[in-house]
Order: sequence, then structure tokens, then C-alpha cells
Amino acid sequence: GDSVTQMEGPVTLSEEAFLTINCTYTATGYPSLFWYVQYPGEGLQLLLKATKADDKGSNKGFEATYRKETTSFHLEKGSVQVSDSAVYFCALRGSARQLTFGSGTQLTVLP
Amino acid sequence: GAGVSQTPSNKVTEKGKYVELRCDPISGHTALYWYRQSLGQGPEFLIYFQGTGAADDSGLPNDRFFAVRPEGSVSTLKIQRTERGDSAVYLCASSVDRNSPLHFGNGTRLTVT
Repeated sequence: GDSVTQMEGPVTLSEEAFLTINCTYTATGYPSLFWYVQYPGEGLQLLLKATKADDKGSNKGFEATYRKETTSFHLEKGSVQVSDSAVYFCALRGSARQLTFGSGTQLTVLP
Repeated sequence: GAGVSQTPSNKVTEKGKYVELRCDPISGHTALYWYRQSLGQGPEFLIYFQGTGAADDSGLPNDRFFAVRPEGSVSTLKIQRTERGDSAVYLCASSVDRNSPLHFGNGTRLTVT
């Protein structure tokens, strides 16, 4: 079945540091890929998505590129802020149409 | 506009009791999903409704879990004979259709003592 493996946390960075959170997936066919974010006390929010190979999703300075050859969708941001502190989830949506999530990565950004 | 609303936000119950969790999706959204999130884990799929019918209930862990959506809007997740292992945050999400992005509610935190 479909599965998502993401980099375990927690990750602690200083403000303005470069962020990478790794995500790889296993799926049949051509899934859509997503990053969701969960800020403290809030519900899951869609951060960005990519629906086909080589697509780049981007939002709020975050980027991720759908790499079919490496079955990866790594999340990157060039300069993190304290307000980016949250839990980040990689997810895929295959033919069954429900989302399959990774286990989440807790990010803490220190001022 | 209003997002996905889940009630109650917190529920504490004793082992063996019956509980109902409610989800009010975004108006006009035909697809509705239930997920369960245990501490330190990602959400796990439980059941998906398209309209009034359960299109995929393959994630329900056993027959103690049941969900309904009788009028194609509000949904109720029902858990019978609760066990301590059922303690988790239960998330509901809705989308315009089966191909559109999911919008999540804030969840119901269920604690079984």
C-alpha cells in the first residue's frame, strides 16, 4: 500500500537558517504530493502541493519539488522565522483519494 | 467563511462507554473524511464519505467504530465499548469533491480512562 517516510525530528534551528525536511514515498501510479503544517493549537493546514513529476509547489517561502526518480518531495526554506515553528507533515494522495501522512516533523526556530 | 467544525473539542470517557463525535463540514463540500491522530504520529485514515454514502471505510480499525452522514452534510463518528487504546485526536476534513484539497477541523481529543 501507499506509505510516506519523513525525517524524524525534532529539528531546532536559529532564525534565518536554511531548512530541509526530507520526505520519501511509496505508491502505485502517480500520486499527488502535499506538505501540511500544524501550528500550535490549530488544525492542519495545506502548505503546498505538487500533482505531477517535476512540479514545484511553493508557498510562504517554502518549496518542494516532486522527484519521481527518487520518489521524494523534500521541503525547503532558505531563511526560517520564529513564526515557522510548527509540526510539518508530508502526505500523498493516490488512487484511493484519501491522504496518507508521514509521522510529522516538529520544527522549533529560536530567535 | 466558516471552516470545518468539530464538537466537542475534548471528550473524557470511561472504558466501556459509548461516544459520539460530530463533524460539521464546510457548506457545499461533498467529500468528508475522518482521521485519527495518536500522539507523535501522523493522521491515519478511518473513513471517507462521498455524499451520504461511505465510499471507503477500509481504515476503521474494528466493528466498534461506525460513522454516518445521513443528509450528506454533518457526520457523526460513533465508538462503542471504548478502550484506552482509542485515546487520540479524531480529525475531520472536507473537500469540494474527491479531487480537491482537504480542509481540516481542529479535532476532538478523546481520552478514555
